[in-house]
Amino acid sequence: DADVTQTPRNRITKTGKRIMLECSQTKGHDRMYWYRQDPGLGLRLIYYSFDVKDINKGEISDGYSVSRQAQAKFSLSLESAIPNQTALYFCATSDLDGGSYNEQFFGPGTRLTVL
Amino acid sequence: EDKVVQSPLSLVVHEGDTVTLNCSYEVTNFRSLLWYKQEKKAPTFLFMLTSSGIEKKSGRLSSILDKKELFSILNITATQTGDSAVYLCAVEAYGQNFVFGPGTRLSVLP
Repeated sequence: DADVTQTPRNRITKTGKRIMLECSQTKGHDRMYWYRQDPGLGLRLIYYSFDVKDINKGEISDGYSVSRQAQAKFSLSLESAIPNQTALYFCATSDLDGGSYNEQFFGPGTRLTVL
Repeated sequence: EDKVVQSPLSLVVHEGDTVTLNCSYEVTNFRSLLWYKQEKKAPTFLFMLTSSGIEKKSGRLSSILDKKELFSILNITATQTGDSAVYLCAVEAYGQNFVFGPGTRLSVLP
């Protein structure tokens, strides 16, 4: 079973609709992230959470909101979707183990199309 | 503003060639630099570099970091078609998050 899962994997919606993307992890990591990926722009950070009570805006948070329901769950919402939010969305986790360095682990991605 | 630049953005080679991918960065309080390989889905971790001059190696892939000149290279020798992917470079700074470069799209032709 995958350590980081995302649902749905694909979604097509219309402008103005509310959309929620969900992320769950079994790695026991405290830190969770939401990124979007657009061609030629790499991964850009939307929101991140260092623990359940800590949520922070990333580089491109406008038009998005998040909820950290538990250590293992981090949801991304688009309150009123617009076409330029069409992208590939990734959830990721990381952790600090005794101060050592750790990489990020990514979910499989959600491809969102806003018509 | 923290920035990560990768070059080239796109590269086409033939099987057996050796390639070098570049990543340069400008960040405050550098902590680590990471390389990821992204095929059709999620990025997968390749290397994490924290110290200058120490080569990390995994099979035909190797990477090294120069913290004085603020860059890293990823080398792939004897390329295979399975190496075709987007290679992402990311930098982490203390107290901050990972900043990703735009990626290098590598295509290896048979």
